Amino acid sequence: GGIITQTPKFLIGQEGQKLTLKCQQNFNHDTMYWYRQDSGKGLRLIYYSITENDLQKGDLSEGYDASREKKSSFSLTVTSAQKNEMAVFLCASSPGLGEGQYFGPGTRLTVL
Amino acid sequence: SQWGEENLQALSIQEGEDVTMNCSYKTYTTVVHWYRQDSGRGPALIILIRSNEREKRSGRLRATLDTSSQSSSLSITAAQCEDTAVYFCATDAQGGRALIFGTGTTVSVSP
Repeated sequence: GGIITQTPKFLIGQEGQKLTLKCQQNFNHDTMYWYRQDSGKGLRLIYYSITENDLQKGDLSEGYDASREKKSSFSLTVTSAQKNEMAVFLCASSPGLGEGQYFGPGTRLTVL
Repeated sequence: SQWGEENLQALSIQEGEDVTMNCSYKTYTTVVHWYRQDSGRGPALIILIRSNEREKRSGRLRATLDTSSQSSSLSITAAQCEDTAVYFCATDAQGGRALIFGTGTTVSVSP
């Protein structure tokens, strides 16, 4: 088995601030993902990465940057936090095409 | 049923009852994923049904897939209180490298 760890669990920032969320997985999966989940809504894809140093944009990439420093870690940066993007950010990894995704517990972002 | 950006649907049932939730999707997919999400946690994969399967079972769960109508369903037999969760369907995107998630169905099972 494996686990996905997301840090921090809660992140509070000021409007306009640059904020970074981190994700680590020990499944040895190639592909990793960042999703945003707004309250009462489904998951929307922000970025994904199919291998180290690869980045692919999802539907919600504007306002975000991502970095895949190594196979096991994937970071997401909110470039200028806005109040309307308060949400839970979920990281996931997958062993391959058409396979299930394994999710971390999420980081809840609050913007003051 | 699930699709798009609508608010979550909600189903409330009693313990022991059966429940079915539906998912419609717009683009071709080779696989439909079903996830459950417990409060305060990330989604967890519960069943995955591929385009060459019409039905798949896992314990008290049963998923169906109708590729001609681009729809899938998830049924829970004899629901228990611990089945209370939000259930999402998801389909392929970006050549199978990513998923498109439905809006989710909240299932509440009371004793």
